[in-house]
Parts: sequence; structure tokens; C-alpha cells
Amino acid sequence: QKEVEQDPGPLSVPEGAIVSLNCTYSNSAFQYFMWYRQYSRKGPELLMYTYSSGNKEDGRFTAQVDKSSKYISLFIRDSQPSDSATYLCAMSLYNNNDMRFGAGTRLTVKP
Amino acid sequence: DTAVSQTPKYLVTQMGNDKSIKCEQNLGHDTMYWYKQDSKKFLKIMFSYNNKELIINETVPNRFSPKSPDKAHLNLHINSLELGDSAVYFCASSSNPGQNYGYTFGSGTRLTVV
Repeated sequence: QKEVEQDPGPLSVPEGAIVSLNCTYSNSAFQYFMWYRQYSRKGPELLMYTYSSGNKEDGRFTAQVDKSSKYISLFIRDSQPSDSATYLCAMSLYNNNDMRFGAGTRLTVKP
Repeated sequence: DTAVSQTPKYLVTQMGNDKSIKCEQNLGHDTMYWYKQDSKKFLKIMFSYNNKELIINETVPNRFSPKSPDKAHLNLHINSLELGDSAVYFCASSSNPGQNYGYTFGSGTRLTVV
């Protein structure tokens, strides 16, 4: 079993839809949870950052962490074609030097 | 100003050759990393350096050798390149352990071994 599991998709939605992206993990010691967005032929860029359980909202993006279920989610409201990218979940223990990434979900938002 | 810059962006080379990829960050971060991203977009850590000291060395063939002349630079040298080394290699940096604000990635080096 991989430490971090993420459905690679691809996922295709119409513009304006609500997108839900998810990851599960096996190591209950993970404390920091992140979502990265990677456009084609670019490096990943940090999108959302959450410590421990709970929700965090930033504009159209909401990150949720459920440590009891070892499950994290990213919701994108009112999705736009510019949101088309690969979204990678990532998580680490306390020391920031051991970040583990999911396989990434490729999202396409169609106009 | 580019925060994490890698050179070259593209590298096409023949099997058996030796090549190097360079990385520099101007963020003042103490920790730098090399990641390999395969064709399925899976990011796998290779090495991590903190203040020029190697702190993570995952199971990577010893043909790969990182070098950090100072905390702003982390280079990757690859000997005797093989077809399976073809991938995108990303350099990243982060602030001190305990200040977990995520990583800043470079734009990647696309290596193709023919």
C-alpha cells in the first residue's frame, strides 16, 4: 500500500462545476497537509496548506482534513478553464523534510 | 526574480553519458531537494540537503550524486545515463524544519536519454 493514495483521473468537468479532489493516507503521524497545482510543463506550486484537522478556505478553494479517517479533500467552487491542471496532495510529519506526494489528479475544466 | 531556478530546462543525451543539472534558490531557504517526476506525474524524493548537509538519501542508484556548494545551490550529477533515467527532475527548497510552509519548486529539467 502506498503511503499516499490519489486517484490520477483524468477528471473532466464543465465550467462552473464544483470539483472535489481527494487523497487517503496510511501514516497517522502526518500533521501537515498541502495541495499543489501543476500546470503542464511547469513545477508544482503551493495552493493550500493545512495543519492537522479542519477546514481552510481561500477564495474558491477549500481544503479539508479528516485525520480520523486519514482523508483529505480539496474543493474548487465555480471552476474555471484556468483551473485545468494536475493537482497533487502532499503531506509530511513535523520536520518538513519528508514530504510525500500523491500521484496527482489531472483536471480539465471545459468552457 | 525567479525563486528557484534550474538549468538546463531540457536535456537530450545518449545512454552512457554523464550530465549535470544545476539549481539555485534566492529565497534564503536552508533546505533543498531533488525530486524525480515520472511519466505518470508521480513525484518521488531523491535527496534532501539542509545547510549543505545531506539529510535524505532515498533509494537512488549511486550513479546519481548531489552536491551542495552552499545552501543556495544544489546540483545533481548523473553518471552513465540509462534509458530509465528519462524523467522530469525538479529542484525545490523550503524554510527551516519546524516552519512548514510547503516547498517552492523550480520549473523542472526534462531529461531524455536516447
